[in-house]
Amino acid sequence: GIQVEQSPPDLILQEGANSTLRCNFSDSVNNLQWFHQNPWGQLINLFYIPSGTKQNGRLSATTVATERYSLLYISSSQTTDSGVYFCAVATSQGGSEKLVFGKGTKLTVNP
Amino acid sequence: DGGITQSPKYLFRKEGQNVTLSCEQNLNHDAMYWYRQDPGQGLRLIYYSQIVNDFQKGDIAEGYSVSREKKESFPLTVTSAQKNPTAFYLCASRRSAVYGYTFGSGTRLTVV
Repeated sequence: GIQVEQSPPDLILQEGANSTLRCNFSDSVNNLQWFHQNPWGQLINLFYIPSGTKQNGRLSATTVATERYSLLYISSSQTTDSGVYFCAVATSQGGSEKLVFGKGTKLTVNP
Repeated sequence: DGGITQSPKYLFRKEGQNVTLSCEQNLNHDAMYWYRQDPGQGLRLIYYSQIVNDFQKGDIAEGYSVSREKKESFPLTVTSAQKNPTAFYLCASRRSAVYGYTFGSGTRLTVV
């Protein structure tokens, strides 16, 4: 099956710093999503981005489907950005689509 | 507000018992999914359902069962055959292929 690799696995920043999280995938995909999992376990959808670039406030994401990677940019990080960021790709299998997750990047933003 | 409701948030089960986790959505989404998350790991797909009265096994279906009798409900039963059931369980739904997935807040199951 498709492989989804995220890097780095852990990232520690000082408040105000910028960061880039990467997601590589091994095969063509229908779609790609970035999620933020907060300390209580809730998965918050950040971007639904099969290709191109999107921005939402301090966060932006770029997916280059032909080269099988996506990047999540966090600018001017805040302590509330802490948590785990997951990349998930949607693939078709037997006529049905399913979402396959990477193992995540754990981000810690210190004050 | 529309969303996905999972209950209970915390669940304790004795070994050898079956337990059912609830997932209800009022988003009018056709597809629903169950995922399992272990500490420090990503999410793994247990079961999914594209339409009412139909569902398919995911990557780790052994020891689990589901039903989809209503569009808005997709309960997951963790049976005694599941050897390591302690985990965080997340339910998701999606309207169609051009939309993203929405997740519930999860149920944390502990076997005691």
